[in-house]
Amino acid sequence: KAGVTQTPRYLIKTRGQQVTLSCSPISGHRSVSWYQQTPGQGLQFLFEYFSETQRNKGNFPGRFSGRQFSNSRSEMNVSTLELGDSALYLCASSLGQDTQYFGPGTRLTVL
Amino acid sequence: AQRVTQPEKLLSVFKGAPVELKCNYSYSGSPELFWYVQYSRQRLQLLLRHISRESIKGFTADLNKGETSFHLKKPFAQEEDSAMYYCALSSGSARQLTFGSGTQLTVLP
Repeated sequence: KAGVTQTPRYLIKTRGQQVTLSCSPISGHRSVSWYQQTPGQGLQFLFEYFSETQRNKGNFPGRFSGRQFSNSRSEMNVSTLELGDSALYLCASSLGQDTQYFGPGTRLTVL
Repeated sequence: AQRVTQPEKLLSVFKGAPVELKCNYSYSGSPELFWYVQYSRQRLQLLLRHISRESIKGFTADLNKGETSFHLKKPFAQEEDSAMYYCALSSGSARQLTFGSGTQLTVLP
């Protein structure tokens, strides 16, 4: 079974731009969660989608948004990028209430 | 609010020695606890979860609700155990994990 995939793997943007990251879950998984990983704050939950509905949201500003499609693929968008948004963004999928399986992450650098 | 604390950022032990990675949590309800591991240049992966009560790669962890702890233990460390270990807590029906800051374990030859 193919694992969680994330595209792109690396991204460089400048302040003020917006960015869209993509996550393809394991086949059959309907839940997709997003996390931000930084050296200072560690791993922090962004949001979770299940069957195209946002089920839970972490403590991040409205510039961070996401969506899930009918095939369970998910995207997250960050608008008006700030230097502090530089991070590794991880996506995880699960069947529902089961174990989360993580993708390799997208490394975002904001200049 | 829920919180996970891993007091040791770095931990070094010699091969064959016992190892214990500490994890304490605060949560008012009944939490589900996990240990995730990240080997060098690999993705984050589940090591074990408390409800399974299994031993993976020789590691075990027992949930102690009285002490609100979920320490990870292995009686004889191996060099291939060197990795970053994260303790995590999940609550409610949504898949939201609260992670500790992680412990970098180095097993010396």
